Amino acid sequence: DAKTTQPNSMESNEEEPVHLPCNHSTISGTDYIHWYRQLPSQGPEYVIHGLTSNVNNRMASLAIAEDRKSSTLILHRATLRDAAVYYCILTTLRSNYKLTFGKGTLLTVNP
Amino acid sequence: NAGVTQTPKFRVLKTGQSMTLLCAQDMNHEYMYWYRQDPGMGLRLIHYSVGEGTTAKGEVPDGYNVSRLKKQNFLLGLESAAPSQTSVYFCASSYAFNYEQYFGPGTRLTVT
Repeated sequence: DAKTTQPNSMESNEEEPVHLPCNHSTISGTDYIHWYRQLPSQGPEYVIHGLTSNVNNRMASLAIAEDRKSSTLILHRATLRDAAVYYCILTTLRSNYKLTFGKGTLLTVNP
Repeated sequence: NAGVTQTPKFRVLKTGQSMTLLCAQDMNHEYMYWYRQDPGMGLRLIHYSVGEGTTAKGEVPDGYNVSRLKKQNFLLGLESAAPSQTSVYFCASSYAFNYEQYFGPGTRLTVT
């Protein structure tokens, strides 16, 4: 199965944009890219997902490289509430598009 | 809408005891999931269900059983708890695979 690689941790300042990278060099054509986040002591929360085109929603933007081997989750203005572990997950046709969580990126937001 | 709720929030068991965790969703979702999360780790799928009366094994099913007698409920059972099952358990539901999953608040289980 295609795997993802994320930095273990990143730091940002409040009200600045944050770009969270994810590498997935073995992605296949039918694999979707999902992002979830988990705030401390809470269950994961869906952020965004996409296949080929860039996606925007009220929470974030997802920028997908043209070759789809990497993607970036963009938080346009980080708030303290955005401090969480962010998971980049590929869902594959072979596994019926089930989610498989890795260790994610711990985002710290400084006031 | 309450979304996804889990009962209980906390539980301490002795080795060998049994218990059932209840997950309920009010979004009329077909798909439901049970995950466990160990310290410093991502979530791992235990069992899942694609509809009322159906269940299937996930990544780490051993030591657990599940039932989906009603569409809105998904039960996770531990027949003989072991210390290795100390974890935080999350339930989730979705309209289908590849749709966003809605997670419950979790159940923190300690087995001594």
